[in-house]
Amino acid sequence: DVKVTQSSRYLVKRTGEKVFLECVQDMDHENMFWYRQDPGLGLRLIYFSYDVKMKEKGDIPEGYSVSREKKERFSLILESASTNQTSMYLCASSRGQRTGGEQFFGPGTRLTVL
Amino acid sequence: GQSLEQPSEVTAVEGAIVQINCTYQTSGFYGLSWYQQHDGGAPTFLSYNALDGLEETGRFSSFLSRSDSYGYLLLQELQMKDSASYFCAVKYGGATNKLIFGTGTLLAVQP
Repeated sequence: DVKVTQSSRYLVKRTGEKVFLECVQDMDHENMFWYRQDPGLGLRLIYFSYDVKMKEKGDIPEGYSVSREKKERFSLILESASTNQTSMYLCASSRGQRTGGEQFFGPGTRLTVL
Repeated sequence: GQSLEQPSEVTAVEGAIVQINCTYQTSGFYGLSWYQQHDGGAPTFLSYNALDGLEETGRFSSFLSRSDSYGYLLLQELQMKDSASYFCAVKYGGATNKLIFGTGTLLAVQP
C-alpha cells in the first residue's frame, strides 16, 4: 500500500518561530510537492521537487523554503512563521513519467500560528 | 493567468446522478484530473483524461473536451459516502506532473 506520511497532524507555533514540516514517501517517487489548502482557495502549490536537491518555486513560495536531501523526504520550512501562514499543509508525491495526472497525498498538517 | 472554474456547491439525493463541471484556462495542458476529498481527509485521485471523450470507472465517469477547455465528473447511483469535495486539476507539467487545482465543489448527498 503506497504511503505518504507527514510528521504532525496538528501543530501550534508562535509568530516568528522557525517551523519544519516533514514529509516522507515510500514509493520511490521522483516528484514531491508541498501545497497549502485554504477554504475557498483550493490547493495552491508552494514548492516542488523533481529530484534530490532539486527544487522549483510554485505559485506561493514567499515565506517558505524547502529541502530535499534524500529521495523519500521533502521538508517545508517556514523561516519565521506568521499568522497568515495558518493553514492546512499537504504533501504529495508522484512518479516522473507516465503519471497520468496522479499524485498521492499525505494526511496533512494543520498549522496554527498564534 | 491560469484558472479553473467549478461550482462551489452541489446538492443531490441518494441514488441520483450528478455532474460537476470544470472549465479551465491554462498556459499548458496535458490532461485533466479529478480528486475526491472527504472532510478532514487527504485528496485521493479519481480519474485522468488526456484525450477527448468519456472515461468510465465504476459509478464515476469523467469527460474532457480539449477544444472547449471543459470537462466534467459524473457520479451515478449516488451514495451518502460520496458526500465530499471534488477538485478538478489541470496537469500542465509533463514529466514533472505539476497540477493546478480548482477551488473545489462540495457535494452534499441527502437521503
